[in-house]
Amino acid sequence: EVQLLESGGGLVQPGGSLRLSCAASGFTFSNYAMSWVRQAPGKGLEWVSAISGSGGTTYYADSVKGRFTISRDTSKNTLYLQIHSLRAEDTAVYYCAKDRLAIAISHFDSWGQGTLVTVSS
Amino acid sequence: QLVLTQSPSASASLGASVKLTCTLSSGHSTYAIAWHQQQPEKGPRFLMKVNSDGSHNKGDGIPDRFSGSSSGAERYLTISSLHSEDEADYYCQTWGTGIGVFGGGTKLTVL
Repeated sequence: EVQLLESGGGLVQPGGSLRLSCAASGFTFSNYAMSWVRQAPGKGLEWVSAISGSGGTTYYADSVKGRFTISRDTSKNTLYLQIHSLRAEDTAVYYCAKDRLAIAISHFDSWGQGTLVTVSS
Repeated sequence: QLVLTQSPSASASLGASVKLTCTLSSGHSTYAIAWHQQQPEKGPRFLMKVNSDGSHNKGDGIPDRFSGSSSGAERYLTISSLHSEDEADYYCQTWGTGIGVFGGGTKLTVL
């Protein structure tokens, strides 16, 4: 059974940084691309970033380009999202999602339960 | 620009059927999409992938009451024999080179 468990969220001041993690199990981690998707309070889903199974290709939404960095550690079966220069509009639940293919991006066939990031002074 | 359009809300009675629509932007009518369900206070769950020819591939454990279809630039999710637990937000998702796209979501109310 595929399991994705996010962690690392919390309350951060504007301009601060945070690193989110997603521990994966139940599948061969390196065989699948992964994405981060966020959901602001009361809003819809927004794709944020993706990384190929090999880690060699990364993509970002325009809204986070230059501030967010996606990475993965195959030895730890863990996906990361490093976030810098946090803004109030980054406040959201952040989900990790498993892609159907090794190359990014396709459709997401498994989701985590999410971790909440709140940006406020 | 790759955009998905969904109606904000839909409603149907317990035991009835409902058909939700997701419309692809001009020039993207051959794209496949995926449907995801998000029940209140939960993370999303993958339901199925729907191809432009109407074929669909469901996720593990998704009941037969859920089905997908296509017509032109429209992709559909049909839920039959509505249960109370089907009350949820439904999102369609597609993708291009280096980009993922979600529709705005449809909030389904089961009366």
